[in-house]
Amino acid sequence: EIALTQSPGTLSLSPGERATLSCRANQSITSSYLAWYQQIPGQAPRLLIYSASSRATGVPDRFSGSGSGTDFTLTISRLEPEDTAVFFCQHYGTSVLTFGGGTKVEIK
Amino acid sequence: QVQLQESGPGLVKPSETLSLTCTISGGSFSSYYWTWIRQSPGKGLEWIGYVYHSGSTNYNPSFRSRVTISVDTSKNQFSLTLNSVTAADTAVYYCARVRRREMDYWGQGALVTVSS
Repeated sequence: EIALTQSPGTLSLSPGERATLSCRANQSITSSYLAWYQQIPGQAPRLLIYSASSRATGVPDRFSGSGSGTDFTLTISRLEPEDTAVFFCQHYGTSVLTFGGGTKVEIK
Repeated sequence: QVQLQESGPGLVKPSETLSLTCTISGGSFSSYYWTWIRQSPGKGLEWIGYVYHSGSTNYNPSFRSRVTISVDTSKNQFSLTLNSVTAADTAVYYCARVRRREMDYWGQGALVTVSS
């Protein structure tokens, strides 16, 4: 069974800085099956990245995804105040969906 | 624009059955999987199960013994039934569309509290 571990738990950065979020799987997974979501407090999650590196419709290009095998990264190149949220990675396995525990991004 | 809306009781008594319905508008119901995901207060996301428009299902093993997800294509709806609930089932329940291997449209979420 695939387990996803996200780090760090919380990231506190200033506007304009670069945020690097990690999602690590306990075994190698297919990149096509890895997605990232943003959840702003009080809202439903929003799809940001699918297939590890493809941006969903309407997602600003400051969000990018990369990685393969067991290590995947979500990068926010220039943080903006509205990026305050929790970010989750998700894997679609053999008929099972798994989420990471989330990384909270705080803007100073 | 595809929209999903959860509906159902916000309060359920312990040992009873939780029932929620998700209504889809603005898009095709066919050719997609539809899923339920929940989030306990202050916690992460937990996948419950999904249903295809044909009615075939797959469930998280953690819920398999007490969950049923069904579809009503005539109403563009799918439903969640969770039996024998406890306080641990208190959560915000989201319905979502599975596009290929990711959820591209989500409902706003429905808070269900299990309490006597």
